[in-house]
Amino acid sequence: KAGVTQTPRYLIKTRGQQVTLSCSPISGHRSVSWYQQTPGQGLQFLFEYFSETQRNKGNFPGRFSGRQFSNSRSEMNVSTLELGDSALYLCASSLYPTSTDTQYFGPGTRLTVL
Amino acid sequence: AQTVTQSQPEMSVQEAETVTLSCTYDTSESNYYLFWYKQPPSRQMILVIRQEAYKQQNATENRFSVNFQKAAKSFSLKISDSQLGDTAMYFCAFMLNTGNQFYFGTGTSLTVIP
Repeated sequence: KAGVTQTPRYLIKTRGQQVTLSCSPISGHRSVSWYQQTPGQGLQFLFEYFSETQRNKGNFPGRFSGRQFSNSRSEMNVSTLELGDSALYLCASSLYPTSTDTQYFGPGTRLTVL
Repeated sequence: AQTVTQSQPEMSVQEAETVTLSCTYDTSESNYYLFWYKQPPSRQMILVIRQEAYKQQNATENRFSVNFQKAAKSFSLKISDSQLGDTAMYFCAFMLNTGNQFYFGTGTSLTVIP
């Protein structure tokens, strides 16, 4: 069974641009969560989706948004990019959004904002 | 609020030796899960071990075991017979049993020396 895939793996953007990152969960998994990883702040929760609905959102500005499609694939969008948005963006999938289900992480998308 | 603290930014261990990574957490909740995730240089986070807070018995997975002290809010990871492939960043994480969101520590970079 294929693991969680994220595309693209690397991305370079300039300030003010917007970016869309994609996450394909493991087949059959319906819950997708997103995390931002930076050297200064560590791993911080962005949002969680299940059955095309956002169930939970972290403490990030409105420039960060996401969605989930009927096939459980998820995208996150960052508008008006800032230098501080440079980070590794990880997504994780699980069967259901419960603490008993193991979450599997993707390899991440490395975003660099110049 | 939930917080997770890893006080050892970097550690090293000789191959075949044993090493213990420390983690403390703070929460007012009584039902939760604790995890250790490993992030090798390839960046894919991998679950190492999980512990249910209601279980007094410490979890073990082959060479990996935890020392869970609920009253002290401590959750350390012991790696026995360290192998070169254990070189990675190790993250301690907390999750409430009512949710699906991880609270991560800042990580410990472990290097196994041949």
